[in-house]
Amino acid sequence: GIQVEQSPPDLILQEGANSTLRCNFSDSVNNLQWFHQNPWGQLINLFYIPSGTKQNGRLSATTVATERYSLLYISSSQTTDSGVYFCAVELSGSARQLTFGSGTQLTVLP
Amino acid sequence: DTGVSQDPRHKITKRGQNVTFRCDPISEHNRLYWYRQTLGQGPEFLTYFQNEAQLEKSRLLSDRFSAERPKGSFSTLEIQRTEQGDSAMYLCASSTYATNEKLFFGSGTQLSVL
Repeated sequence: GIQVEQSPPDLILQEGANSTLRCNFSDSVNNLQWFHQNPWGQLINLFYIPSGTKQNGRLSATTVATERYSLLYISSSQTTDSGVYFCAVELSGSARQLTFGSGTQLTVLP
Repeated sequence: DTGVSQDPRHKITKRGQNVTFRCDPISEHNRLYWYRQTLGQGPEFLTYFQNEAQLEKSRLLSDRFSAERPKGSFSTLEIQRTEQGDSAMYLCASSTYATNEKLFFGSGTQLSVL
């Protein structure tokens, strides 16, 4: 099956710092989504981004499908950004089955 | 938009018992998914419905697991003869073509099998 690798596994930042999270995937995909799981366990969809670049406030994401990676940028981080960030991909030809990476645990210190 | 609702939030059961979870998706979403998440891991796909039809099932889904979505609205996931290895967070999500099939997750049901 498809492999999804996220890096770094853990990241500790001071409030106000910027960060870049990376997602590598092993095969062609037709769907890529980024999620934030907050400390209470709720998964929030951040982006649907199978290719190109999108921005939403302090967050932006870029997917280079031909090179099989995606990046999530967090600028001016806040303590509420803490949690686990997951990348999830749907293999081309695979019906609606997202494969999640193991996540990046982000801790933002006040 | 009331979001995806799951019930119960927590379930503690003894090994060998049957359990059933319910998921109410966002009302205009025709696709519904079940995922399972264990500590420190990302969610794993279990099954997917389009309207009332179950279109995809993971090989992870043993015969003890069954899911239904009888009228294309809410869904139930039943686990028969629970085992300790079934302990996990069971997550439901829904999506629609209109929003590019972005998945919206519920808060999950945390199952503990003693």
